[in-house]
Amino acid sequence: QQPVQSPQAVILREGEDAVINCSSSKALYSVHWYRQKHGEAPVFLMILLKGGEQKGHEKISASFNEKKQQSSLYLTASQLSYSGTYFCGTDGGTSYGKLTFGQGTILTVHP
Amino acid sequence: NAGVMQNPRHLVRRRGQEARLRCSPMKGHSHVYWYRQLPEEGLKFMVYLQKENIIDESGMPKERFSAEFPKEGPSILRIQQVVRGDSAAYFCASSVGTGGYGYTFGSGTRLTVV
Repeated sequence: QQPVQSPQAVILREGEDAVINCSSSKALYSVHWYRQKHGEAPVFLMILLKGGEQKGHEKISASFNEKKQQSSLYLTASQLSYSGTYFCGTDGGTSYGKLTFGQGTILTVHP
Repeated sequence: NAGVMQNPRHLVRRRGQEARLRCSPMKGHSHVYWYRQLPEEGLKFMVYLQKENIIDESGMPKERFSAEFPKEGPSILRIQQVVRGDSAAYFCASSVGTGGYGYTFGSGTRLTVV
């Protein structure tokens, strides 16, 4: 089952914040976040394991609520380099390895 | 420390020909995944392999598509008798294990069927 991401697109000015959400109808073992720039490969940002942990990566952080089967990606003080399409990937409740990706959220940061 | 290597980067095939896409995972990674991406769309799972084994091929079309990951050499995604609808970017990813390890993606092969 494909996770659902919201919003579909976000437009920001440099320095503004954004939140991208990812919801699954299935129990999750982990949630992955990736960023893909146009014409390039997706790049791994972070992984969150069940337990409600929050992770950070410079000004990009994420949370995982396993009871609600939701994860959120937080981008603070956005930079031009943050532009791209963000995908969450979910594993369907097992540590099996195969990921199903959401449809993506297009983030555009303007000067 | 080379990343995931995919070749070719671009592949043009005429309808009815065969396409072979290669993927060498990162050193030390034994799990390989293939995904297909249509323009402006998400990543669709195709197949998950470990050395000499297909673990999950639930995303692979039943006909014309096959994948392997031999003991020696790269993983191969093979598409026989290509049709225009096969035109897409095909990404390979690898991971060191399951249950908490992120994927490293290759740069993809962009297949165009003319």
